[in-house]
Amino acid sequence: DAKTTQPPSMDCAEGRAANLPCNHSTISGNEYVYWYRQIHSQGPQYIIHGLKNNETNEMASLIITEDRKSSTLILPHATLRDTAVYYCIVRVVSVYNNNDMRFGAGTRLTVKP
Amino acid sequence: AAGVIQSPRHLIKEKRETATLKCYPIPRHDTVYWYQQGPGQDPQFLISFYEKMQSDKGSIPDRFSAQQFSDYHSELNMSSLELGDSALYFCASSSNRPKSLNEKLFFGSGTQLSVL
Repeated sequence: DAKTTQPPSMDCAEGRAANLPCNHSTISGNEYVYWYRQIHSQGPQYIIHGLKNNETNEMASLIITEDRKSSTLILPHATLRDTAVYYCIVRVVSVYNNNDMRFGAGTRLTVKP
Repeated sequence: AAGVIQSPRHLIKEKRETATLKCYPIPRHDTVYWYQQGPGQDPQFLISFYEKMQSDKGSIPDRFSAQQFSDYHSELNMSSLELGDSALYFCASSSNRPKSLNEKLFFGSGTQLSVL
């Protein structure tokens, strides 16, 4: 799997947009970008995923650069309950490779009042 | 909506004892994954099963074994427990075949194992 790089921590003011960057400069053409988050000691929660195009759902938006070497997860109006560790994961797609969801070092987002 | 159920929620064991963790996937989910998360660490993939067959293997110690049963629930068996096995153990399930592009994992609340 392509290695991802995320800042270890970020702060965001409540009600403002939280923009979480992820670098995946070695991503391959058939790899998807996934985002999960983990609120303290709870099971990780799926947020969003995408291949090339920008994606949006009820939780967040995912912006992937044209060269696909980086992406940004956007929480449009962060609340205190969005305080969590956010993981950016890139998955290999091949029947011969282990491509189960592998978590690296994520970004600890703290939303402040 | 039904979620992934893990039991027990908490488990305390002595060194060298054995432990069995159980996972009940979301109904109609056919794939189960196990993760281990030590204190202050990120979740580490252990093993996964699809249709009762082992699908992939991660950093699972030889002292651990797991299986998926005909009703798709899974059990993680841990023997000769060590202090370092103290961790949160998460189970996740999904409804797509492993190695599928659009696979989403749904996680349970975890089992906190403490080895004394």
